[in-house]
Amino acid sequence: ETGVTQTPRHLVMGMTNKKSLKCEQHLGHNAMYWYKQSAKKPLELMFVYSLEERVENNSVPSRFSPECPNSSHLFLHLHTLQPEDSALYLCASSQQLGANEQFFGPGTRLTVL
Amino acid sequence: AQSVAQPEDQVNVAEGNPLTVKCTYSVSGNPYLFWYVQYPNRGLQFLLKYITGDNLVKGSYGFEAEFNKSQTSFHLKKPSALVSDSALYFCAVRVTYRGDSSYKLIFGSGTRLLVRP
Repeated sequence: ETGVTQTPRHLVMGMTNKKSLKCEQHLGHNAMYWYKQSAKKPLELMFVYSLEERVENNSVPSRFSPECPNSSHLFLHLHTLQPEDSALYLCASSQQLGANEQFFGPGTRLTVL
Repeated sequence: AQSVAQPEDQVNVAEGNPLTVKCTYSVSGNPYLFWYVQYPNRGLQFLLKYITGDNLVKGSYGFEAEFNKSQTSFHLKKPSALVSDSALYFCAVRVTYRGDSSYKLIFGSGTRLLVRP
């Protein structure tokens, strides 16, 4: 493992549910990222946090709400999702914003019914 | 627009043969290029990067990549493939935005490598 953990690993939810994805990094990094991975599409950068401050919201719908309470934890709160939101959601961290190497967690496989 | 392209959805190769996974890029300025690998049910793992210097970059697990500025390519290579190399490979480029004050990675759509015994 790379030092970035994500829970849960799998999540099935209905369109009216509210759930949260959690990411934790044990690497002492200052920047954290949420990506969406859909089949046969490039990884989509969703949010970027640097020192707990959101520095990027890549035109993500408001039904996705990130939270970064400290530099080690990152959440993605989900509500009233659509079936097309089903995907693998990956968290990553890097030593600093713009650092060359990002370390990824294993992802949460989300299915929206 | 700044972008990276992986023209092949899948590459098939026999074990012991050389492999190449293609990547081309379009960026302004000098490119920072990366390769990541994703095994089933795992996150992406960093393989190698090109920042400056020698055009042939060596990385993890015997992989290497060749930077070609004139062809704007950064192809991933390995002299002798292993069955365990079967995975999804992503090329990425670091781009600047907001007046060069911020950076982010743009990933290709991925190439599935299948190494048959």
